[in-house]
Amino acid sequence: GENVEQHPSTLSVQEGDSAVIKCTYSDSASNYFPWYKQELGKGPQLIIDIRSNVGEKKDQRIAVTLNKTAKHFSLHITETQPEDSAVYFCAASRVGAGKSTFGDGTTLTVKP
Amino acid sequence: DAGVTQSPTHLIKTRGQQVTLRCSPKSGHDTVSWYQQALGQGPQFIFQYYEEEERQRGNFPDRFSGHQFPNYSSELNVNALLLGDSALYLCASSAGTPDTQYFGPGTRLTVL
Repeated sequence: GENVEQHPSTLSVQEGDSAVIKCTYSDSASNYFPWYKQELGKGPQLIIDIRSNVGEKKDQRIAVTLNKTAKHFSLHITETQPEDSAVYFCAASRVGAGKSTFGDGTTLTVKP
Repeated sequence: DAGVTQSPTHLIKTRGQQVTLRCSPKSGHDTVSWYQQALGQGPQFIFQYYEEEERQRGNFPDRFSGHQFPNYSSELNVNALLLGDSALYLCASSAGTPDTQYFGPGTRLTVL
């Protein structure tokens, strides 16, 4: 089955700096890669996703890149703000399959 | 537009007991997936329901069962509870091709 590894497990940055979180996946058939933000006491919130026919996607301060050959994808957050502090999860699945395999999460702390 | 709702918010049970968790999907969504999230880990896929049938199942024992009702809401049942079943149980809903999933706030289950 699919295996997703996520790094780093913790990340601390100064407000205004950029943050990068990386994930690798094992199943070459995976073609849908969402990223979730989970705040304390809440469920994961979808923040951005990318499909395998696209190499990069951007939404304001958040961007995701995908390298299908290397089977890795990354989340980039620019101009970080304290409210970006949360646990971020990457996931991988096959379009139409519905079952997502998640990484173990990255705890991002943005210091004011 | 109400998002995914789950009940109850918290639940405390003792070993050997049975529990039922409930989920109402986002309006317009017909597919419900259940995930177990242990402390410090990413969500793990339990199963998915579509058209009142279990469509996919993860690596969870038969003690975990579910149901989907005609209005698309869903229940997760866990029998013969073990201490290791203590976790946050998340429900996610999606529409049509179940790629983009929206999560509820979860039910925190504690087994004593």
